[in-house]
Amino acid sequence: KAGVTQTPRYLIKTRGQQVTLSCSPISGHRSVSWYQQTPGQGLQFLFEYFSETQRNKGNFPGRFSGRQFSNSRSEMNVSTLELGDSALYLCASSFVGLPSEVEQYFGPGTRLTVT
Amino acid sequence: AQSVTQLDSHVSVSEGTPVLLRCNYSSSYSPSLFWYVQHPNKGLQLLLKYTSAATLVKGINGFEAEFKKSETSFHLTKPSAHMSDAAEYFCVVSGSGGSYIPTFGRGTSLIVHP
Repeated sequence: KAGVTQTPRYLIKTRGQQVTLSCSPISGHRSVSWYQQTPGQGLQFLFEYFSETQRNKGNFPGRFSGRQFSNSRSEMNVSTLELGDSALYLCASSFVGLPSEVEQYFGPGTRLTVT
Repeated sequence: AQSVTQLDSHVSVSEGTPVLLRCNYSSSYSPSLFWYVQHPNKGLQLLLKYTSAATLVKGINGFEAEFKKSETSFHLTKPSAHMSDAAEYFCVVSGSGGSYIPTFGRGTSLIVHP
């Protein structure tokens, strides 16, 4: 069974631009969560989508948004990029359970650099 | 509110010696606790999880962790380190106070010397 895939793997953007990251979960998984990983703040939960609806949300500004499609693929968008948005963005999927209760399967991440 | 503290940012061991990675948590209710491992340029992989069943949890690759409510700890151990264990380890707490958002520790880098 193929794992979680994220595209692109690396991205360089300029301050003020916007960016869209993509995540394809494991086949059959309906929950997709997004995380931001930085050296300063560690791993932080962004949001979780289940059946095309945002089910949980972390403490990030509205510039961070996401969506999920009917095939469970998910995208996250960051608008008006800031230097502090440079990070590794991780996507994780699970079958149906909440990310707080069940094993999550993580993708390799997208490394975003904002200059 | 829930929180998790990994007491060591780096742990260095020799191959074949025991591993101890320490994790303390703060939680209002019985939490769910996880340990994940992250190898360089890879996503996180679940090692083990505690969800109010047995207090001693066995995971993959010979790792295990013991839930101690009185000490609010969930330390990760392995009897004998292998070179392939060198990685970043994350302790995660969730489910406290109705929160469905997992809280990750800052991570412990395990270094294994030959």
